[in-house]
Amino acid sequence: SYDLTQPPSVSVSPGQTARITCSGAGLSRQFSYWYQKKPGQAPVLVMIKETRRASGIPERFSGSRSGTTVTLTISGVQAEDEADYFCQSSDPRLTYVMFGGGTKLTVL
Amino acid sequence: EVLLVESGGVVVPPGGSLRLSCAASGFNFDDYTMHWVRQTPGKALEWLCLISWDSSEIRYADSLKGRFTVSRDNTEVSLSLQMTSLTTEDTALYFCAKDLGDNTWSLDSWGQGTLVTVSS
Repeated sequence: SYDLTQPPSVSVSPGQTARITCSGAGLSRQFSYWYQKKPGQAPVLVMIKETRRASGIPERFSGSRSGTTVTLTISGVQAEDEADYFCQSSDPRLTYVMFGGGTKLTVL
Repeated sequence: EVLLVESGGVVVPPGGSLRLSCAASGFNFDDYTMHWVRQTPGKALEWLCLISWDSSEIRYADSLKGRFTVSRDNTEVSLSLQMTSLTTEDTALYFCAKDLGDNTWSLDSWGQGTLVTVSS
């Protein structure tokens, strides 16, 4: 299976830059996506195909890929960005969808 | 505005069965693949299954071992998930979600979820 690995937690101070990584062997061959999940709320699609912001997502969110690692970058982090972030992709044969384990972003 | 409303979550004993529903509105339901995803108490998201717009393509997570069945009714604009042989590990918040489209298999709109608790 194509697992996606994320760090369990990332902490930054307001105004700093947060980088959340997601690694997986299949990421060099399949697009990936990022979701933001806050307690009691539905997940929100943040990034599409690594680099495109979803509708309504602030410009401080950006994405990139290098080899088998994709990165969600939040520049000028705000308190409201505190949430769990999940990467998502699919296997190359399009037989299943998988999520990373999630990264809790804490704004200090 | 896309609106997805899940229902059917209850407390069910181990070994039991349950059917979840998802009512959709605000978009052309029969144009889109739909997904079910759950969030376990440990907070991880787990993809469960998808069903294409015309039900011709259905995919399941291997971990379900054939216990879950997804279906849709485009005339009723609804999505269902039939779950059987439930165990405590199925305790989770269950979401239905709309696919972004263009075979992306990404999920651009989600419901608020319905809570399933498997407990004796």
